[in-house]
Amino acid sequence: QITLKESGPTLVKPTQTLTLTCTFSGFSLSTSGVGVGWIRQPPGKALEWLALIYWDDDKRYSPSLKSRLTITKDTSKNQVVLTMTNMDPVDTATYYCAHLSSGWYGNWFDPWGQGTLVTVSS
Amino acid sequence: QSVLTQPPSVSEAPRQRVTISCSGSSSNIGHNAVNWYQQLPGKAPKLLIYYDDLLPSGVSDRFSGSKSGTSASLAISGLQSEDEADYYCATWDDRLNGPVFGGGTKLTVL
Repeated sequence: QITLKESGPTLVKPTQTLTLTCTFSGFSLSTSGVGVGWIRQPPGKALEWLALIYWDDDKRYSPSLKSRLTITKDTSKNQVVLTMTNMDPVDTATYYCAHLSSGWYGNWFDPWGQGTLVTVSS
Repeated sequence: QSVLTQPPSVSEAPRQRVTISCSGSSSNIGHNAVNWYQQLPGKAPKLLIYYDDLLPSGVSDRFSGSKSGTSASLAISGLQSEDEADYYCATWDDRLNGPVFGGGTKLTVL
């Protein structure tokens, strides 16, 4: 059974850097075709993809946020870390990590972590 | 502004059938598999459909997906009150080089 759980601060101040950790079990991030992604959801709004890291350390970022994001993995600890710099109140959202499966025709997120609400406020 | 376009809301009576549309372009839906996610109130999203029309294990066969050209649809038959949720389509975008989501559709079972 695959599970993921996000952890990190619930409150950050504007201009600070946010660091979120996704701790997972039930799969290895060294297995071909596997990845972990970060997705966020502002209150009452839609899902927004942020970043992806694959088993081979290939990394992808949302073009609109690329300059502020860094995603890394620690295979031995079963963790993926996302950092987002220069936080702003508009970054207030629930942040999810999710297991990514890749196939010949596409990829999908399943399952998702429970999410963690991050509020940006002074 | 989402890359994929969904109606903000749909509603239908119990035991009826409803469809939710998702419109994209040649760089995303037209070239890649579409997935659908269900998000119950206060919960994390859950995979409902992948590879356009495949159901993950444990998902009711009342849900079905289809795709034609640059558009996709999710159909839910035999509506039940527990189907009230937000539904999101998603796919890969070759131009953006990453996943994209629709704006979400809120389903109300009357």
